[in-house]
Amino acid sequence: SQELEQSPQSLIVQEGKNLTINCTSSKTLYGLYWYKQKYGEGLIFLMMLQKGGEEKSHEKITAKLDEKKQQSSLHITASQPSHAGIYLCGADAAGANNLFFGTGTRLTVIP
Amino acid sequence: ETGVTQSPTHLIKTRGQQVTLRCSSQSGHNTVSWYQQALGQGPQFIFQYYREEENGRGNFPPRFSGLQFPNYSSELNVNALELDDSALYLCASSPGGAGDQETQYFGPGTRLLVL
Repeated sequence: SQELEQSPQSLIVQEGKNLTINCTSSKTLYGLYWYKQKYGEGLIFLMMLQKGGEEKSHEKITAKLDEKKQQSSLHITASQPSHAGIYLCGADAAGANNLFFGTGTRLTVIP
Repeated sequence: ETGVTQSPTHLIKTRGQQVTLRCSSQSGHNTVSWYQQALGQGPQFIFQYYREEENGRGNFPPRFSGLQFPNYSSELNVNALELDDSALYLCASSPGGAGDQETQYFGPGTRLLVL
């Protein structure tokens, strides 16, 4: 079965610093989603990537999907306390519209 | 705001009881999916409904069941609750048909504690 591994599991950065979160799949990804979750709350959709080499940005967050479509990275520039939370990558199960997720990366931004 | 709402926000039950969780999808969204998220884990797919019919199921026993209604609302029912059922339950809606790769929009979740 396909699995998603996220690294690091947790990250503590000083406000203003850049950071990168990685998501690696054991198989080719059909669709890769990034969500943000505040503790105990619902998931907020950030971005979806489908094509190999695709890159999308929203405000200070950039996500990329590598050419082989087995790894994605999420990069935050000049982090702010509002970026704190749990970042989850999710992928489409092949041939189905349901998602399986990595275990998440917990980001803390120190003011 | 995703337009997806869930009720209740929190619930405490005892082992062996039954529970019903509710979700209201975005208007016009025909697909609803339910996920279970244990503490410190990513969400796990329970099942999905499309136009009121079950359209895919994860690795969950039959005591997890669901319903979807024409008014974009849905329910997750869990019978014979076990301690391990304690988790955050999330519903997610998406616009279109089965098999499409579409963005899912999540509700805020219902936190269930089984004692």
